[in-house]
Amino acid sequence: GQQVMQIPQYQHVQEGEDFTTYCNSSTTLSNIQWYKQRPGGHPVFLIQLVKSGEVKKQKRLTFQFGEAKKNSSLHITATQTTDVGTYFCAGFEGAQKLVFGQGTRLTINP
Amino acid sequence: SQTIHQWPATLVQPVGSPLSLECTVEGTSNPNLYWYRQAAGRGLQLLFYSVGIGQISSEVPQNLSASRPQDRQFILSSKKLLLSDSGFYLCAWSAADSPLHFGNGTRLTVT
Repeated sequence: GQQVMQIPQYQHVQEGEDFTTYCNSSTTLSNIQWYKQRPGGHPVFLIQLVKSGEVKKQKRLTFQFGEAKKNSSLHITATQTTDVGTYFCAGFEGAQKLVFGQGTRLTINP
Repeated sequence: SQTIHQWPATLVQPVGSPLSLECTVEGTSNPNLYWYRQAAGRGLQLLFYSVGIGQISSEVPQNLSASRPQDRQFILSSKKLLLSDSGFYLCAWSAADSPLHFGNGTRLTVT
């Protein structure tokens, strides 16, 4: 079955530093989704990328979808303490089954 | 608007006891429904998903089962809990090919 790999598993940064997490799929994805899970909370949808090479921005967050639609990245510029949490990428295997990467846990030193 | 309800929020159960976690969705029809499990500090493991009443796809062989007795109701069960069943159980719904909307989750501790 499809595998979605995410690196790094953990990342600790100083507040104000940038952060990037990478996602790679074993198969071509129809689209890729990103979620954020705050400590103690549930995953919350951030964004969906559909087109090859697509780049989307949400304030300090930049999401990219690779040309081959097998990889993606999330970059946060100038992290803030509110960015703390675990970031997951996810891709559909078939029409209904959403497979998540292992997540990258971001911690920030204020 | 659509809402998803999941209960209980926390649960402590002894080994060998049964389990029933319930999830209901409001404000949408024929949603895809999912059960995920998250071990402490780990990723999301897909347990079951359902595209319609009585249609359940199982992803991981284990002592858990799922049922969908009504269109917007998804139930996770076990006849006898194991220590390894401890974790954070998340129910979610989606329309086809659309983002998932998660419930608040149930923290299950098996003692």
